[in-house]
Amino acid sequence: VQLLESGGGLVQPGGSLRLSCEASGFSFRNYAISWVRQVPGKGLEWVSAISGGGDRTFYVDSVKGRFTISRDNSENTVDLQMTNLRAEDTAVYYCAKGNCISAGLCVAAIDYWGQGAPVTVSS
Amino acid sequence: EIVMTQTPVSSRVTLGQSATISCRSSQSLLHSDGNTYLSWLHQRPGQPPRLLIYKISNRFSGVPDRFSGSGAGTYFTLRITEVEAEDVGTYYCMQATQYPVTFGGGTKVEIK
Repeated sequence: VQLLESGGGLVQPGGSLRLSCEASGFSFRNYAISWVRQVPGKGLEWVSAISGGGDRTFYVDSVKGRFTISRDNSENTVDLQMTNLRAEDTAVYYCAKGNCISAGLCVAAIDYWGQGAPVTVSS
Repeated sequence: EIVMTQTPVSSRVTLGQSATISCRSSQSLLHSDGNTYLSWLHQRPGQPPRLLIYKISNRFSGVPDRFSGSGAGTYFTLRITEVEAEDVGTYYCMQATQYPVTFGGGTKVEIK
């Protein structure tokens, strides 16, 4: 199993950034994918998730209305579109695979993580 | 949202000795499907987290049997026996019974 994030970088407050996660090594369409972020030196925060079929999504309150998660099961990719970015969104963003097979949004546990994409929001 | 509280915040352990980390949730983690979605993760500096234990006590593939999990309802523990140098880092509990998924604040384990 491999999860490879891309698209991180430096952006000004109020700007936008799109993260992408390319997955391989498992039946991609059967598993929910989450984005989890971590401010360097701090703890983990679950940001968003999307079901295997892509029809169910979830967002933490702090990013609702600003972030959009989507997936392309033909390309084995999950994207996180981030708009109206704030300084407090600065973090390393991990793409992470849930470990249960379900038609719904099922995370259960996170068994594989990408290496992370750093996002810095600063003027 | 369910709040996860870990103790201790840090722990210094002698090589070969045991370490125990506790995690308490603000609500029961028993899901209506009968499972308890409480897992434990380990993160070394500069690395992503890796799964150790899922559904309270199930070791993930490749995890040594020095790691064991227990608990029920709102109180859970991770025990590491015969601590090795590679066990240093930060340990997190995580609940996925109710969304949003939430994590404990972490327990940093160091070697004396």
